Amino acid sequence: ETGVTQTPRHLVMGMTNKKSLKCEQHLGHNAMYWYKQSAKKPLELMFVYNFKEQTENNSVPSRFSPECPNSSHLFLHLHTLQPEDSALYLCASSQGSSGTYEQYFGPGTRLTVT
Amino acid sequence: TQLLEQSPQFLSIQEGENLTVYCNSSSVFSSLQWYRQEPGEGPVLLVTVVTGGEVKKLKRLTFQFGDARKDSSLHITAAQPGDTGLYLCAGVRTSYDKVIFGPGTSLSVIP
Repeated sequence: ETGVTQTPRHLVMGMTNKKSLKCEQHLGHNAMYWYKQSAKKPLELMFVYNFKEQTENNSVPSRFSPECPNSSHLFLHLHTLQPEDSALYLCASSQGSSGTYEQYFGPGTRLTVT
Repeated sequence: TQLLEQSPQFLSIQEGENLTVYCNSSSVFSSLQWYRQEPGEGPVLLVTVVTGGEVKKLKRLTFQFGDARKDSSLHITAAQPGDTGLYLCAGVRTSYDKVIFGPGTSLSVIP
């Protein structure tokens, strides 16, 4: 596979469930990101990892828990979500040393919280 | 307040028409990117501009970075239905190390 992949593509979960989103990048990049995209709202940066270390947490509620075991894999663990958390969750990677931080996105996971 | 503003927010045009969308800020950017996002998919990088006044062309798309590196425009010539999507500008501010995104322009090209 090439580029950035995300699984699952669609997820429906109840407010008491626990689930995880997975992202994998095959581009050799050293930075990975989670974004949230809600209807009629701009892209919201959630977390940034550089060389597996979390460098940014944009005041994200603790019901979202990221994990980055290595530079190629990124997870977002979800628990006790709220209906307003329904959104498209996008993973991206970039080569931080480029200076331009061009983002390469996966196709996203469409999450619906019931 | 958005660091990057985009206009118009929505645009619906007939196939074959020309259009321009804008990306503006009061901040100076060391680089600026344009992405296109189709429904249900992630954004795809179209171009990066880094020099004030720079113009880049990608087939029928022309991108310009403002001389002061605070704004950018995207011009599409003879729009096609395949150009339909959300156009996002994003930039890296001078002395910062992350990308910020504008709210996007939603373009619909009607056959």
